[in-house]
Amino acid sequence: DSGVTQTPKHLITATGQRVTLRCSPRSGDLSVYWYQQSLDQGLQFLIQYYNGEERAKGNILERFSAQQFPDLHSELNLSSLELGDSALYFCASSLNPGGSSYEQYFGPGTRLTVT
Amino acid sequence: GQQVMQIPQYQHVQEGEDFTTYCNSSTTLSNIQWYKQRPGGHPVFLIQLVKSGEVKKQKRLTFQFGEAKKNSSLHITATQTTDVGTYFCAGPDSNYQLIWGAGTKLIIKP
Repeated sequence: DSGVTQTPKHLITATGQRVTLRCSPRSGDLSVYWYQQSLDQGLQFLIQYYNGEERAKGNILERFSAQQFPDLHSELNLSSLELGDSALYFCASSLNPGGSSYEQYFGPGTRLTVT
Repeated sequence: GQQVMQIPQYQHVQEGEDFTTYCNSSTTLSNIQWYKQRPGGHPVFLIQLVKSGEVKKQKRLTFQFGEAKKNSSLHITATQTTDVGTYFCAGPDSNYQLIWGAGTKLIIKP
């Protein structure tokens, strides 16, 4: 158990819909990262928050947005969903803002299926 | 931009054979991290290498960081079924964000 929690575990929705994925980081970690992993593919970095502020952006679509709340939990919002958005979405957390010197702890992921 | 290339994409081995995955960066890295993702699971941090030429061992796993700090390898001796999964390397870019390799999937032949 990494200490990072994600809800829901599974989500099935239709094209055009909007969903929200939730993540709670490990106790004490200030950075939260969101990744997308399509079937048997690598990890695509989407976005990072540190202590409530956006820190870095990766390959995140304009239809996607995220935020980190004062209690440090984070939400990833996916809108106007397309079939190609079906994937595993991981949240990870780490202690420091840069993420380069400290390991990242991953949650169990949310499997999103768009039909 | 900075890239981290990882090869091979897949490796099929008989149980008991050795396995190696290689990671190459287009730029010098301050450190490199290795993660393992079991089938159906999430990535789990294995180790971080920081020093030029560093070698670290974890039981049957040997991690190396190249002298130029641009490449790294993970070698598993005498693979077991518990080693099955995808191994990722990741190194920081100039903005201190991790750049991930595509991963090497270790498959044990029946």
